[in-house]
Amino acid sequence: ELKVEQNPLFLSMQEGKNYTIYCNYSTTSDRLYWYRQDPGKSLESLFVLLSNGAVKQEGRLMASLDTKARLSTLHITAAVHDLSATYFCAVDAPSGTYKYIFGTGTRLKVLA
Amino acid sequence: DAGITQSPRHKVTETGTPVTLRCHQTENHRYMYWYRQDPGHGLRLIHYSYGVKDTDKGEVSDGYSVSRSKTEDFLLTLESATSSQTSVYFCAISIAYEQYFGPGTRLTVT
Repeated sequence: ELKVEQNPLFLSMQEGKNYTIYCNYSTTSDRLYWYRQDPGKSLESLFVLLSNGAVKQEGRLMASLDTKARLSTLHITAAVHDLSATYFCAVDAPSGTYKYIFGTGTRLKVLA
Repeated sequence: DAGITQSPRHKVTETGTPVTLRCHQTENHRYMYWYRQDPGHGLRLIHYSYGVKDTDKGEVSDGYSVSRSKTEDFLLTLESATSSQTSVYFCAISIAYEQYFGPGTRLTVT
């Protein structure tokens, strides 16, 4: 059974600090996705990582993928309050169909 | 904007009643999905569709059925709603690996 685990589940951090969210998955997957969800809202795609070693950056967020370690990281640089949200990672299900398995999410709160 | 709408956006229903949620897309994307979101569980796939009349089960399909008679519409039906189906339901489409989500439907079963 494919499992996707994120840690931490909750993260409270001060503005200006750096931190990393981790996403581990249990079986082979070449693609990994990061989404953001604001309270009461839908999910918004942040990054699509398509191969081992992929790195993508958008503003203060940088995502990377290590398929050999089955690990993706979402690094936050100099956090600001607007980054407060819940972040989800997801991977392709291994059956080759267009199915996705999501992690349970990391709720980030950036304190001013 | 991937042009995804969901209806209704909010619904309160009683245990044992049937409920149908609708997902509509404005473009002819092949893959459509229904997820439920519950605290501590992230998003869990209920059913998905890979074309008209082509559907398959996800990880939490018990108690749910789906239909897709037109490319643009994907319906999720709770035949006899239970309190455990109180949740937020999201529809999504897939475009070149990336998923785009609808606004969600908050369903409360009393």
